[in-house]
Formats: sequence, C-alpha cells, structure tokens
Amino acid sequence: SQTIHQWPATLVQPVGSPLSLECTVEGTSNPNLYWYRQAAGRGLQLLFYSVGIGQISSEVPQNLSASRPQDRQFILSSKKLLLSDSGFYLCALRLAGLYEQYFGPGTRLTVT
Amino acid sequence: QKEVEQNSGPLSVPEGAIASLNCTYSDRGSQSFFWYRQYSGKSPELIMSIYSNGDKEDGRFTAQLNKASQYVSLLIRDSQPSDSATYLCAVNLAGGSGGSYIPTFGRGTSLIVHP
Repeated sequence: SQTIHQWPATLVQPVGSPLSLECTVEGTSNPNLYWYRQAAGRGLQLLFYSVGIGQISSEVPQNLSASRPQDRQFILSSKKLLLSDSGFYLCALRLAGLYEQYFGPGTRLTVT
Repeated sequence: QKEVEQNSGPLSVPEGAIASLNCTYSDRGSQSFFWYRQYSGKSPELIMSIYSNGDKEDGRFTAQLNKASQYVSLLIRDSQPSDSATYLCAVNLAGGSGGSYIPTFGRGTSLIVHP
C-alpha cells in the first residue's frame, strides 16, 4: 500500500522568511498529488494539485507556489511568509483509477 | 459554487449509542462521497466511501446516500470514546465518465462520545 511522508512535522518561522515543505510518496506510481491548508477552526483549503511531473494547478492565488520535480515528490514553497500562512499543511494523493484521497501526516506551520 | 454543509456540532452521545452525522451537498451531479475522521492535531483518515444510493456498512460504520435529496450520512453504532473526533464529509463530481478529481470538503462535525 502507499505511504505519504511529510516533513518537517512542525515548523516555526518568522514573517518574511522562506518556506519549503516536502511531500514524498512510496508504494505507487503516477499519483495525483494535492496540497491543502487547514487553518485553526476552519475547513480544508485546496492550494495546489498535480497530475504529473511538472504539472501544477493553483486553486488559490497567493504567495505560495508548488513544484513536482519527480513523480513521487511534491514541494510547497514560499519566498516570504505571512502571518496568515500559519496552519496545518496536508499533502494528499489519489491513486490512478480511483476517487479516494489519502492524506499524509501533515506539517504544522506557525508564522511568528 | 459547489457547497458541502455539515453541522459543526459538537454532537454529544453516550458510550454505546448510535451517532448520526449528516451532510448535504449542492451539486446534483456529484457522484462520489467520502467520510473522513480527523482526531485533534492529526490528519484526516478515510473511513468510508459510497457511490450508489442506499446503505454501505463497514464494521460499526454505515454510510447512507440519498442522491435525490442530496444528502449523505454516517452512522456509528456502539459509539466508543475513541470515536471522539471531527468527521469530514467530502463530495466529488467524479465517479462516472467524467468530472474532476477535486473533492469539496465540508467543515466537519465534532463528535464527543462520553463514558
């Protein structure tokens, strides 16, 4: 079965600093990959999704960007963090031919 | 705009009771439906998926789908304190011959099972 790794698990960053969160997948090939953010007390917000290497779709225009340099690697980045970027960042995958999404363990980001 | 509505709760039930969680959705073309459980501080975990009208049972969980009324529900029988969590409903247009693979999530219902 597939496994999703995310790191770091927690992160505290000052406003204006850069960000790089990584998601890697094991046990499957060519998955659809997703980045979500869950702010405190709020629902899941889809940020980016990717159907393949180098293919990124953005759902919400903001100061974040995503890249997929390899089939099983999905990276979320920012050049300058805002206080509003604090939240729980979740990577998810969808296996080819199926409709369910599976989530990784998440990264909790606090911007101070 | 696609919407998925859930009562935020909390829904409080005694141990051993049946917990009933409900979800309504706005897009009549929706084809696939999911329930996730999210413990505090953890990521969502898929517990049920349902695609056809009617009931689908998996252990103590039963998902119910009524496309005509545009609602999906989750029943938890013999509720345990370990079932205390937030339950997220997700709805997707995909499941037939087309549609996107981006589900719309509700904000979740908080369930508290007290001993």
